[in-house]
Amino acid sequence: AQSVTQLDSQVPVFEEAPVELRCNYSSSVSVYLFWYVQYPNQGLQLLLKYLSGSTLVESINGFEAEFNKSQTSFHLRKPSVHISDTAEYFCAVSASGSARQLTFGSGTQLTVLP
Amino acid sequence: NAGVMQNPRHLVRRRGQEARLRCSPMKGHSHVYWYRQLPEEGLKFMVYLQKENIIDESGMPKERFSAEFPKEGPSILRIQQVVRGDSAAYFCASSPIHRGDEKLFFGSGTQLSVL
Repeated sequence: AQSVTQLDSQVPVFEEAPVELRCNYSSSVSVYLFWYVQYPNQGLQLLLKYLSGSTLVESINGFEAEFNKSQTSFHLRKPSVHISDTAEYFCAVSASGSARQLTFGSGTQLTVLP
Repeated sequence: NAGVMQNPRHLVRRRGQEARLRCSPMKGHSHVYWYRQLPEEGLKFMVYLQKENIIDESGMPKERFSAEFPKEGPSILRIQQVVRGDSAAYFCASSPIHRGDEKLFFGSGTQLSVL
């Protein structure tokens, strides 16, 4: 079984400042890692994912996440946030090569302040 | 192409009543997943269905909860004799194939409140 820990439930940050949302996971098998974002009154949307290969993955809107196997982490970063990045961010894991059921963290609410 | 549609957005029930949550997957998607989000917790997997088949219900409570995905029509998550602890956001997701690296498309969820 897998588990995901998102240590920060709330992260307020000023516009144009950098941000890091932390995610740690535990698993006895190799995993796929995901970040999903939920904007107000919408469903979750995939932001980026790590499957294999390069440990640094990027999204089209400037977010990036780095898979660190030794620290079992998959932290999400953005060097300069916008007001429109305000949303809840969920880290998720699934066992690679097997069934599809995602295990989610409890979410981090990112609030970008003007 | 409409996204995953869930209705109702908000559902209020009294203890002991039945709750029916509906999910229409994206066009062309034959795999449906239900997740539940309790307050202050992450989404928890409940059940995975294909048309007319329950594939994995390992996350479903043993009693009062059931799900179906008929040949025609939306997927239904049914909760009988609701209790206050059932209050949560219920999310449906769909995908065109069932593979570990395939992304899921989520609906906006149904917020169930049990009085």
